Amino acid sequence: EDQVTQSPEALRLQEGESSSLNCSYTVSGLRGLFWYRQDPGKGPEFLFTLYSAGEEKEKERLKATLTKKESFLHITAPKPEDSATYLCAVLGSGNTGKLIFGQGTTLQVKP
Amino acid sequence: DTGVSQDPRHKITKRGQNVTFRCDPISEHNRLYWYRQTLGQGPEFLTYFQNEAQLEKSRLLSDRFSAERPKGSFSTLEIQRTEQGDSAMYLCASSLAQGVYTEAFFGQGTRLTVV
Repeated sequence: EDQVTQSPEALRLQEGESSSLNCSYTVSGLRGLFWYRQDPGKGPEFLFTLYSAGEEKEKERLKATLTKKESFLHITAPKPEDSATYLCAVLGSGNTGKLIFGQGTTLQVKP
Repeated sequence: DTGVSQDPRHKITKRGQNVTFRCDPISEHNRLYWYRQTLGQGPEFLTYFQNEAQLEKSRLLSDRFSAERPKGSFSTLEIQRTEQGDSAMYLCASSLAQGVYTEAFFGQGTRLTVV
């Protein structure tokens, strides 16, 4: 069964304190792993797509990496405006177009 | 392009009433998805369309839920005889599928409260 598990569920950081969020996945034949950011009461905002192990993508203070079993979202020197819930998703097995989401990691960055 | 648009943003309804939500995708996108999200959880897949064809529907979706995408443009999601358990954020997303899957972009969602 396709599954995505994110850890930790919640993370509190001081401004400037770097850390990583984890996304472990189980899917038959990875066709894409996606990271989204979601602010309270809003829809998810697309961040990155990763397709194969070893791939890395960067955007400002965020860097996403991918292995055969998990993905990491590294946050370097975070700012309070980085506070949000970060969602990881994979394309389901087979020929489906549906995304399987994890439960998310809620990040709070304190000034 | 203004992105994916959903209407209404909020809906409060009494149990047993029918509700309908609308989604307007990004204009050139041929795929349209519906997801449901409850507090503290990630979005859960409901159904998706490629152009006007409904390609997949979640087994979790009861017969009270129906979605349409006439002419492959906007889509509607109807919930009949609403129940309190239907209270959630309903999210619409769209993507451009040309052989290879590309990322889906989400709208701001419709928050449904069933009282």
